[in-house]
Amino acid sequence: DGGITQSPKYLFRKEGQNVTLSCEQNLNHDAMYWYRQDPGQGLRLIYYSQIVNDFQKGDIAEGYSVSREKKESFPLTVTSAQKNPTAFYLCASSIDHGREQPQHFGDGTRLSIL
Amino acid sequence: RKEVEQDPGPFNVPEGATVAFNCTYSNSASQSFFWYRQDCRKEPKLLMSVYSSGNEDGRFTAQLNRASQYISLLIRDSKLSDSATYLCAVNITSGTYKYIFGTGTRLKVLA
Repeated sequence: DGGITQSPKYLFRKEGQNVTLSCEQNLNHDAMYWYRQDPGQGLRLIYYSQIVNDFQKGDIAEGYSVSREKKESFPLTVTSAQKNPTAFYLCASSIDHGREQPQHFGDGTRLSIL
Repeated sequence: RKEVEQDPGPFNVPEGATVAFNCTYSNSASQSFFWYRQDCRKEPKLLMSVYSSGNEDGRFTAQLNRASQYISLLIRDSKLSDSATYLCAVNITSGTYKYIFGTGTRLKVLA
């Protein structure tokens, strides 16, 4: 089955700790994205990657880092510099960044502070 | 003004009703448009793309009005299972590419 897999589904972080959220896709999509959604809010773009070994900051990149070493994988690290990390994190992918194609989402990771 | 705006609702409608949502966008360079459905505490799922001539998928009809810069989603014969938040997404390609989501319209279908 083709799709986007995020793990873990739930994650708890202690103060001052970095955590990494996994996102893997087997859709052969070039573009991948990370969003954050807070309760009752819309989706805010954290980072995106158009192609392997390339990524760009989105609207709220501070306190986050990413890598794109493989086409299938786009992990997001929430660093200790992110002071309000509690949120629902969504990874998405699309065939190509810039073409008129929709984005498809993984089922998300809920991050909470202990 | 936000680039993409939606009425947050909630829209409370009885089963069997017809309900319509609009999504307005401010950038005339917007090229493609989509509707997503998001259930509580779940990921958004693509419902349908919106084509210039309008398109239909079962009980759902999507339309685009470029002159007034909005898209619409019409749901006929509402079911309880249609209760969800409906997000619009707009793909803007002028200079740099942007894919922007609205904050969603919440629909509650009541028995």
